[in-house]
Amino acid sequence: NAGVTQTPKFRILKIGQSMTLQCTQDMNHNYMYWYRQDPGMGLKLIYYSVGAGITDKGEVPNGYNVSRSTTEDFPLRLELAAPSQTSVYFCASSYRGTTEAFFGQGTRLTVV
Amino acid sequence: DQQVKQNSPSLSVQEGRISILNCDYTNSMFDYFLWYKKYPAEGPTFLISISSIKDKNEDGRFTVFLNKSAKHLSLHIVPSQPGDSAVYFCAASGGNAGGTSYGKLTFGQGTILTVHP
Repeated sequence: NAGVTQTPKFRILKIGQSMTLQCTQDMNHNYMYWYRQDPGMGLKLIYYSVGAGITDKGEVPNGYNVSRSTTEDFPLRLELAAPSQTSVYFCASSYRGTTEAFFGQGTRLTVV
Repeated sequence: DQQVKQNSPSLSVQEGRISILNCDYTNSMFDYFLWYKKYPAEGPTFLISISSIKDKNEDGRFTVFLNKSAKHLSLHIVPSQPGDSAVYFCAASGGNAGGTSYGKLTFGQGTILTVHP
């Protein structure tokens, strides 16, 4: 079982560029989440999804977009990258909303 | 406003001794609490959780205590081992009055635990 897989692991973007962070899980979990972690801080929720076709905003959604067309995939789109989006991004999934979430290894993004 | 706080950025403990990591929260609607462990360059890994209807939960060397009146929880690791050296995050779920949280987690800042041989 691969669990939660994120690609790429590292990326450097120039200001104003766009990119998509990929996330896929093979555990047939309905719930999926995107978090970001800034240095010395805890993780903050960007977006989440409770099933295919259903997404909603978390605590820090500005500058991001998501889609959920399948149970397995939950890509995170950055439009017009800004230095404030330099962070480590974690995708997670859970079987039910109140059980523990399984996290991917993270994507370290630097915007210069 | 930080709803989950871990006021100790770091903790250093001798191998074999007890490690106690603390966490405070402000939102009385939180009803489920979790601890995650994180190694460098890896994602957080679930460690142990506790529901607000309990005040203690044990799993091997790990015990979580919840004091709802004080809005405080703690993680005890006994005995501590060098492999326990990692960043520990406290997280809370719930907090949506009249609605479900769908497992959305609010995290503390983390505590770096170092266990010396």
